[in-house]
Amino acid sequence: EPEVTQTPSHQVTQMGQEVILRCVPISNHLYFYWYRQILGQKVEFLVSFYNNEISEKSEIFDDQFSVERPDGSNFTLKIRSTKLEDSAMYFCATEGEPAMNEQFFGPGTRLTVL
Amino acid sequence: RKEVEQDPGPFNVPEGATVAFNCTYSNSASQSFFWYRQDCRKEPKLLMSVYSSGNEDGRFTAQLNRASQYISLLIRDSKLSDSATYLCVVNPPGNQFYFGTGTSLTVIP
Repeated sequence: EPEVTQTPSHQVTQMGQEVILRCVPISNHLYFYWYRQILGQKVEFLVSFYNNEISEKSEIFDDQFSVERPDGSNFTLKIRSTKLEDSAMYFCATEGEPAMNEQFFGPGTRLTVL
Repeated sequence: RKEVEQDPGPFNVPEGATVAFNCTYSNSASQSFFWYRQDCRKEPKLLMSVYSSGNEDGRFTAQLNRASQYISLLIRDSKLSDSATYLCVVNPPGNQFYFGTGTSLTVIP
């Protein structure tokens, strides 16, 4: 069964450093999403991406965040200058058939900012 | 008002029991509804979409009540493997998806 993959599984970084989280979507999926989940809290929408551009973003997704699909396969989330409060699990999700709106999640990247 | 609200539980039920979870949403124009399950420290996994007519998948039944803006999930004949957190997800107009805080279920032998 096709699946979404994410790398790395765990990233530890110093406050103020830049991090790039990577996702490989299910092939032929066209809609991509990033979510975060702070430990013990709910899953929060960050951004949706379609046709090489952001379609929606939440208030969390400020200027420190960016997304791109640099090579047509990987889908990346960059955090420019990490803060302590960015520590969370970051999930990538992809969606194939738009009428269904069914998203499939990757295993997540646990980001720890020290 | 929160976009999606769920009773966090926990629900502790014996094997074989029937358990129901409810979820309310605030945006009456919401279009798509889902139940996901999340095991500890794992990614959410789609359990089922929720259709206006209601839908069933084995032991799981989902219902949508647009007038009252709630969705429900019924699990019959609970198994130990059903222990997880159940997440209600709502898609208002546009391409954002809102998750509830989740309802914790533990099925006890």
